[in-house]
Amino acid sequence: KNQVEQSPQSLIILEGKNCTLQCNYTVSPFSNLRWYKQDTGRGPVSLTIMTFSENTKSNGRYTATLDADTKQSSLHITASQLSDSASYICVVSEDSGYALNFGKGTSLLVTP
Amino acid sequence: DAGVIQSPRHEVTEMGQEVTLRCKPISGHDYLFWYRQTMMRGLELLIYFNNNVPIDDSGMPEDRFSAKMPNASFSTLKIQPSEPRDSAVYFCASSPYIQGLAETQYFGPGTRLLVL
Repeated sequence: KNQVEQSPQSLIILEGKNCTLQCNYTVSPFSNLRWYKQDTGRGPVSLTIMTFSENTKSNGRYTATLDADTKQSSLHITASQLSDSASYICVVSEDSGYALNFGKGTSLLVTP
Repeated sequence: DAGVIQSPRHEVTEMGQEVTLRCKPISGHDYLFWYRQTMMRGLELLIYFNNNVPIDDSGMPEDRFSAKMPNASFSTLKIQPSEPRDSAVYFCASSPYIQGLAETQYFGPGTRLLVL
């Protein structure tokens, strides 16, 4: 069964610090991997999308990496801000189309 | 553009009642998705449409759930009869067609459903 595992489940960091969220998957065949940010009470918002041939992609202070050989991805947040407090969801698509496999998310809290 | 619009934003109903959730996708988007999100299971894709045609409904939990897209600007997700375990946040999302499938999905604000 295709799975997407995210770690840690939750994380608390001080404002200004960096952090890295992990996503491991067993989805095959692989099409693409997406990171979404979901603020409390809101819908998810796309941060990055990476295909098999891409191993890094940035969106402002967010940088995602992908190692398709080890089936691992990470989302690095630089110089965290209070507004980064949210749930971060990793989603992996199968090559067959829109079959999406969702992680359960990492809940990040940035404190002053 | 106003983004994906969902209504109602909150719904409280009693077990056995019919519930209809509504979605207006972003104009020009060819794909529309319905998701359900719970604490236990996270986000789950229920069904998606391409050009108003249902493509994959394998995520629909059971026959009590049905979805329609009568035109490019409107879709409904209906639960009949509703049960307490249907309580969740239901999201609608849309995306444009771009060659390949690695395009961004734009989510609505969600409908928070509570079935008593």
